[in-house]
Amino acid sequence: NAGVTQTPKFQVLKTGQSMTLQCAQDMNHEYMSWYRQDPGMGLRLIHYSVGAGITDQGEVPNGYNVSRSTTEDFPLRLLSAAPSQTSVYFCASSPRGLANQPQHFGDGTRLSIL
Amino acid sequence: ELKVEQNPLFLSMQEGKNYTIYCNYSTTSDRLYWYRQDPGKSLESLFVLLSNGAVKQEGRLMASLDTKARLSTLHITAAVHDLSATYFCAVAFINTGTASKLTFGTGTRLQVTL
Repeated sequence: NAGVTQTPKFQVLKTGQSMTLQCAQDMNHEYMSWYRQDPGMGLRLIHYSVGAGITDQGEVPNGYNVSRSTTEDFPLRLLSAAPSQTSVYFCASSPRGLANQPQHFGDGTRLSIL
Repeated sequence: ELKVEQNPLFLSMQEGKNYTIYCNYSTTSDRLYWYRQDPGKSLESLFVLLSNGAVKQEGRLMASLDTKARLSTLHITAAVHDLSATYFCAVAFINTGTASKLTFGTGTRLQVTL
């Protein structure tokens, strides 16, 4: 049971490049979410999904797109990378919304934009 | 907008001492989560608090929730070095009866010294 798997673990991009951060879970969880973690600011919600085909914006969605075509996968796309998007990105999942169980987090993707 | 404040932001304490971390939030919610993060690592769930007056304990850590005061505490008893980490509280935003967004506090970095 792999849990939540994020790839890549590290990435360096140039300003203006695009890329997709991958997130997959094998626990059949309905709810998935993406956060970014910056020093001194905790984790901030970027986008989330309550099930396949359903996504919504979080606190800081600008510059990011998501889709949820399957229950297992929830990729995060950076359309045109900017230095302000340098951060650690975490994907998380939980069985049904934010009910009585915590979210399971992936190991994170450390992204640097030059 | 839901705001979550933790204090202190940094805590240095000696082994064997007791201390409390506070988590205040700004709007109604009855779901609060505590997570631990070691440097460079992912987040690990510690506690899920689902109702007013909820108290949970695991080892030297005890968490409580007062929904009327919009306050949760994480109490550390007889600290040991292994508890050194950053601790986050996170509060679920209730939207039309469904908890869909999680807002994190900025975290409390705990350093336990010998």
